[in-house]
Amino acid sequence: GAVVSQHPSWVICKSGTSVKIECRSLDFQATTMFWYRQFPKQSLMLMATSNEGSKATYEQGVEKDKFLINHASLTLSTLTVTSAHPEDSSFYICSGRLRWGSTQYFGPGTRLTVL
Amino acid sequence: AQKITQTQPGMFVQEKEAVTLDCTYDTSDPSYGLFWYKQPSSGEMIFLIYQGSYDQQNATEGRYSLNFQKARKSANLVISASQLGDSAMYFCAMREGAGGGNKLTFGTGTQLKVEL
Repeated sequence: GAVVSQHPSWVICKSGTSVKIECRSLDFQATTMFWYRQFPKQSLMLMATSNEGSKATYEQGVEKDKFLINHASLTLSTLTVTSAHPEDSSFYICSGRLRWGSTQYFGPGTRLTVL
Repeated sequence: AQKITQTQPGMFVQEKEAVTLDCTYDTSDPSYGLFWYKQPSSGEMIFLIYQGSYDQQNATEGRYSLNFQKARKSANLVISASQLGDSAMYFCAMREGAGGGNKLTFGTGTQLKVEL
């Protein structure tokens, strides 16, 4: 299957700071990337969908000004958690899809801990 | 109503035995896809198998097979000859057609433990 990487794999930050997470598709061009959040022992919840070159579409209840998503190229999407708070501590996973209808391939995830 | 239901929070199976993980779904979209992903303790989501709503035959990938019963709206995952490395969380997911935005909706998962 296709390979998606994420960086960093884990990050600890102080409350009030911003954190940027990168998601890269290594061997395919991801026209669409998705960002998910997963709390311990829970399922993945979709946060937003981003198409290359356009604004992200956020799911209901996800603050777009807090979770900034940029999909500047076909191989890179970034998620910036602005003014992070302890309740933002979670596992963030991205996925990439080549085109409408194709399989989503997931990155290894980023564990964010906000102190 | 839940779109994807996994009723088994945890399952145990002995090594080399087969195990079935249940998944039922709910959609009115005639075009949809069903997926199974494995999530080990390290966290990455590993794609296992896919079944399209119009596929006539059940999908198989090595030791994984999907028991697709369209009328019952079920898409159970069967793992044959279980191995210790199969111990992980397993998620069933559905992708609906145009009406669902082509996004994945996940079930709550089943934690599988393979024992000696």
